[in-house]
Amino acid sequence: SQTIHQWPATLVQPVGSPLSLECTVEGTSNPNLYWYRQAAGRGLQLLFYSVGIGQISSEVPQNLSASRPQDRQFILSSKKLLLSDSGFYLCAWSVLFANTEAFFGQGTRLTVV
Amino acid sequence: GENVEQHPSTLSVQEGDSAVIKCTYSDSASNYFPWYKQELGKGPQLIIDIRSNVGEKKDQRIAVTLNKTAKHFSLHITETQPEDSAVYFCAAYQTGNQFYFGTGTSLTVIP
Repeated sequence: SQTIHQWPATLVQPVGSPLSLECTVEGTSNPNLYWYRQAAGRGLQLLFYSVGIGQISSEVPQNLSASRPQDRQFILSSKKLLLSDSGFYLCAWSVLFANTEAFFGQGTRLTVV
Repeated sequence: GENVEQHPSTLSVQEGDSAVIKCTYSDSASNYFPWYKQELGKGPQLIIDIRSNVGEKKDQRIAVTLNKTAKHFSLHITETQPEDSAVYFCAAYQTGNQFYFGTGTSLTVIP
């Protein structure tokens, strides 16, 4: 069966520090991969999505970047965190070109102080 | 691109009553409509979905209806229980594209 792993679960980082969040998927190949951010009490904002290795689409201009170094690995990064980067970050995957659900990880609660 | 609107943003019901959440979408090419439940501090989980060739789908106390002509779909929860309290998201998807989510509905079931 397929599983998605996202870590860490919580993170407290000072302003100006770098960020690296990692997400891996097991049990499937060539997945669509997504990074979402959720502010407190708000909806899901799509940050990045990827249909293959090295193929990243960015939805909003921001202080973040994403990379997909391997088929089932998706990394969210920042060189210098801002206070506004605080939020709940969710990784998700779906089957490429199929009308099936997106599967979400358990999320990372990032607090920038 | 696709635009998904979701109403209401908050909903309180008495235990045992029904809850209805409505979503509209703008792109007639969208052909898959999942509904997610998100509990506090966790990732969203699929509770039911519907494809564009179907008008209604039911799974125990949960049902979803789709009106392609009007471009709207709804989630119906009957006999609500306190454990149904959560945030619910609708989404619209078209093959080869991304998921477009509604802004969420915070459902509270009052015992």
